[in-house]
Amino acid sequence: SAVISQKPSRDICQRGTSLTIQCQVDSQVTMMFWYRQQPGQSLTLIATANQGSEATYESGFVIDKFPISRPNLTFSTLTVSNMSPEDSSIYLCSGYRGNTIYFGEGSWLTVV
Amino acid sequence: GDSVTQMEGPVTLSEEAFLTINCTYTATGYPSLFWYVQYPGEGLQLLLKATKADDKGSNKGFEATYRKETTSFHLEKGSVQVSDSAVYFCALGSGGSNYKLTFGKGTLLTVNP
Repeated sequence: SAVISQKPSRDICQRGTSLTIQCQVDSQVTMMFWYRQQPGQSLTLIATANQGSEATYESGFVIDKFPISRPNLTFSTLTVSNMSPEDSSIYLCSGYRGNTIYFGEGSWLTVV
Repeated sequence: GDSVTQMEGPVTLSEEAFLTINCTYTATGYPSLFWYVQYPGEGLQLLLKATKADDKGSNKGFEATYRKETTSFHLEKGSVQVSDSAVYFCALGSGGSNYKLTFGKGTLLTVNP
């Protein structure tokens, strides 16, 4: 299995500000991903974090709003830029290894 | 595109009752299928998975069988406990190594003593 840690676990953010979420995996994973879970909703894939290159974004998500870095095989960051109340969500990091996707506990962001 | 349709909740059962949560999918190719569970205030945990047709995934008394002919992956448990109260998500994995997940909307299960 893989243990995935995220920071911060929770935060309350002011409208218009940006926040960076960190994701650390306990050992190397092949792929890393970022998901969003809006209140009462299911999870939606934001992007695949690629090591050493630009992330691959899903339809409806753009780099300017959600810049992502992945400098090595065990670490990634997601920034939520210029936040609005609609960005209030749980953001989850996940890693793929051994045909299984593991998730972090999520970062619960509330934008006020 | 790929999609997952999951039984809408909430589902409320008494302890020791039988549980079924229906899940059907639409996909091209040969996806992997997963059930994830989210306990109150916690992150998402993998409950079980199946990677090919007729595979049965099982864990903690839960089971699900990958049925290609009916494109289904229904979750079952013979006797639920209060501690099983959680949100259950059915998911489909696609992409080159079936690593891109498409989730159903989730089903809230509440088990009463």
